[in-house]
Amino acid sequence: GAGVSQSPSNKVTEKGKDVELRCDPISGHTALYWYRQSLGQGLEFLIYFQGNSAPDKSGLPSDRFSAERTGGSVSTLTIQRTQQEDSAVYLCASSFSSKGEAFFGQGTRLTVV
Amino acid sequence: AQRVTQPEKLLSVFKGAPVELKCNYSYSGSPELFWYVQYSRQRLQLLLRHISRESIKGFTADLNKGETSFHLKKPFAQEEDSAMYYCALRSSRGDSSYKLIFGSGTRLLVRP
Repeated sequence: GAGVSQSPSNKVTEKGKDVELRCDPISGHTALYWYRQSLGQGLEFLIYFQGNSAPDKSGLPSDRFSAERTGGSVSTLTIQRTQQEDSAVYLCASSFSSKGEAFFGQGTRLTVV
Repeated sequence: AQRVTQPEKLLSVFKGAPVELKCNYSYSGSPELFWYVQYSRQRLQLLLRHISRESIKGFTADLNKGETSFHLKKPFAQEEDSAMYYCALRSSRGDSSYKLIFGSGTRLLVRP
C-alpha cells in the first residue's frame, strides 16, 4: 500500500474485554514500531520489531500487553483485560531499516468504557 | 536517561510573527534529533532532521550540543503552520539505534 495502515481506526470496548489492533506496514519495511499517544503525554514507545523478532519490548506497560509480527509484515498489538487507563491512540510506524525515516499510520483510537 | 523536553504545551502567535518551538534533550552521546508534525486529522509525519540541515516549509532547527537543544524556528508564521509539533531523539550508537523518543508536543496556533 501507499502508507502504513492501521485497523480499526476507532475501537470502543468494555472494561475487562480483550482487543486486537492491527498494523500493515509499508511493503519492504523491516522495522516496525508501536507507540501510544495519550492526551498531554506525547508518544510513549511500546515495542520494536526487526523482521519478526522483537528485540525491545521494554515499553510494554504491563503483561496484559503483547504484540507479534508474522511474515515480517503485519503486526498485531493485543491488550487483555482492558482498563480505562488503556484508552489512548495507538500508533504504528515502519521504516526501511532501524535507522531510516519512520512513517506513521493514522492510529487506532481505543476507548475503554 | 534519554529524555526529550518540550516546555510549552501551547504556543499562540499571529500570522507573520516569528516562531520558536523549544526542545531540550538529555542524552550522553551523539543523538539524532528530529521534528515531527501532525496537522489536524492527518498522520504524524517527519518535518526535518538535524543531519540533513535543510529548511522545510520555512522551518529550520539547529542542534546545539552545548545547550542540548534543538529548537524549531520560522521567521514568519503562516496559518497553515498550525499543528502539533513533536521533537524526537534517536540514539545513534550500537544496536539501540531504533527507538525514537518523543517529547510531549507543542501545539502551535497561528492566528490571522
